[in-house]
Amino acid sequence: ETGVTQSPTHLIKTRGQQVTLRCSSQSGHNTVSWYQQALGQGPQFIFQYYREEENGRGNFPPRFSGLQFPNYSSELNVNALELDDSALYLCASRPQRGQGETQYFGPGTRLLVL
Amino acid sequence: QKEVEQNSGPLSVPEGAIASLNCTYSDRGSQSFFWYRQYSGKSPELIMFIYSNGDKEDGRFTAQLNKASQYVSLLIRDSQPSDSATYLCAVSFGNEKLTFGTGTRLTIIP
Repeated sequence: ETGVTQSPTHLIKTRGQQVTLRCSSQSGHNTVSWYQQALGQGPQFIFQYYREEENGRGNFPPRFSGLQFPNYSSELNVNALELDDSALYLCASRPQRGQGETQYFGPGTRLLVL
Repeated sequence: QKEVEQNSGPLSVPEGAIASLNCTYSDRGSQSFFWYRQYSGKSPELIMFIYSNGDKEDGRFTAQLNKASQYVSLLIRDSQPSDSATYLCAVSFGNEKLTFGTGTRLTIIP
């Protein structure tokens, strides 16, 4: 167990809907990253939050957005869902910047878009 | 050109033998290198990280890094059936994102 929790574990949505995924980071970790892992692929970086601000973003459209709260928990929001958004969404946390880059993943949320 | 490349496998290894997993990366500025294990339907679990050229050992696992050749490998000694999983190689530059390969599927044959 990494101490990173995510909810929900599974989710089914239809195309065009919106979804919010949640993550609670490990105690003492103030940096949270989100990744998308399609079937048979490695995780792809979506964005990273540090002290409630986005400070890095991968090649994902603006309909992927996020928030980080004062307690360092985080949300990933996806608008106008597409079939290709079906994937495992992973949240990873790590210690304060400058204190190591090792990231620890939560159990993930599996999203199916029909 | 993919930034991190791994042989997708499957790689089959007899129980008790050494499993060797390989990874190459394209960004010479990469500073940190990670191996994650992922069981089917589960999230990635960190096994090893390495920052400096050479070998790093942790129990049955050894990570090897050669920055000149842009090559990182993972050796698993005395392979067990529980080692059967997909192994993901990831690289990072500074405090930025992890860039993953597509993973190598390893099967340990009893």
